Amino acid sequence: GEDVEQSLFLSVREGDSSVINCTYTDSSSTYLYWYKQEPGAGLQLLTYIFSNMDMKQDQRLTVLLNKKDKHLSLRIADTQTGDSAIYFCAFSPGGGNKLTFGTGTQLKVEL
Amino acid sequence: EPEVTQTPSHQVTQMGQEVILRCVPISNHLYFYWYRQILGQKVEFLVSFYNNEISEKSEIFDDQFSVERPDGSNFTLKIRSTKLEDSAMYFCASSERGSGGYTFGSGTRLTVV
Repeated sequence: GEDVEQSLFLSVREGDSSVINCTYTDSSSTYLYWYKQEPGAGLQLLTYIFSNMDMKQDQRLTVLLNKKDKHLSLRIADTQTGDSAIYFCAFSPGGGNKLTFGTGTQLKVEL
Repeated sequence: EPEVTQTPSHQVTQMGQEVILRCVPISNHLYFYWYRQILGQKVEFLVSFYNNEISEKSEIFDDQFSVERPDGSNFTLKIRSTKLEDSAMYFCASSERGSGGYTFGSGTRLTVV
């Protein structure tokens, strides 16, 4: 079955970079995603990467994909207090249309 | 920016009662989904719906659950006889194509007492 693991908690200082990591077991997904969940809110699609890419940059966000190690990471440059949220990696096992989510990483940004 | 709208935002119901959670997907989207998130746990897939029928469902989605698209805009999740363990946040999502880029609603928090 699918297994997607993330570290539970990350604390950074405002202005520093944050790196959120995700490891997975099923490599058949066409796209891999990062979602953000603010307290009491829904899941907001932040960015995604096509499985044949190894890097994608989108403003302050950089996604790195290491297919050999089945490792996905999200780097947030110049982290702000508004970035405090839970971040989920997600993918579509078997390339289908359902998402399997990671356990979520709670990012806390301190002044 | 188009949104997926869910109502109500919070529902409290007694065990054994039926509940209907409502969603209005983005108008030109063709694929619809329900997910749930038990407090402190992962977001879990429940069901996907396309062309007026269920295209995939998880083992969580048993006979107590049903989905319906009663008109051209609403997409509902019904839980026939709620159990305490159904307490969770339920998210509706929609997508234009069958893969990725889903837009999620802000969720309905269901509390079964």
